[in-house]
Amino acid sequence: SQTIHQWPATLVQPVGSPLSLECTVEGTSNPNLYWYRQAAGRGLQLLFYSVGIGQISSEVPQNLSASRPQDRQFILSSKKLLLSDSGFYLCACRTGTGVGDQPQHFGDGTRLSIL
Amino acid sequence: GESVGLHLPTLSVQEGDNSIINCAYSNSASDYFIWYKQESGKGPQFIIDIRSNMDKRQGQRVTVLLNKTVKHLSLQIAATQPGDSAVYFCAGTKRGSQGNLIFGKGTKLSVKP
Repeated sequence: SQTIHQWPATLVQPVGSPLSLECTVEGTSNPNLYWYRQAAGRGLQLLFYSVGIGQISSEVPQNLSASRPQDRQFILSSKKLLLSDSGFYLCACRTGTGVGDQPQHFGDGTRLSIL
Repeated sequence: GESVGLHLPTLSVQEGDNSIINCAYSNSASDYFIWYKQESGKGPQFIIDIRSNMDKRQGQRVTVLLNKTVKHLSLQIAATQPGDSAVYFCAGTKRGSQGNLIFGKGTKLSVKP
């Protein structure tokens, strides 16, 4: 089964600073990869998903961007962080091709605080 | 719009009792549903899933029921234990969506000893 690694676990950044969060996956190949944000006490909001290297789809307009330089690496970035970017960022992975029913599996997230 | 929601934000049960967490969805095209458990500070953990061609699926101490007529699903946890305390999310997807999920806001389950 796949394992999803996210780092760092927590991050405190000043407003206006850049951001790079990394997610790597083990135990699978050619997965679909996802970035979510979770506000405190809320559900998960899908930010980006990727079905392959260099293929990124954005779900909501925002201050963030994503990249997938390798099959099992997914990066979330920002050039200038806003206060509203604070939250819990989760990376998820889904194996299988096509539209077969497979659950997404999640990493343990990065808690991002903007000061 | 499309949504997947939960009926109650919190649920408190006595240790050893059964728990039932409910979820409603709005999109009749949703054909695959998943329940996740999220402990504090961690990512959601897959519990059980169900496809729309089924109305019941059982796992270890958990059962998911799907009622497509009223667009409702539930998660039943038998003999609830303190380790079951967490936030539970339902999520739904629809065919052709690349597996993208729509999550409800979550129900916080508290187990009293």
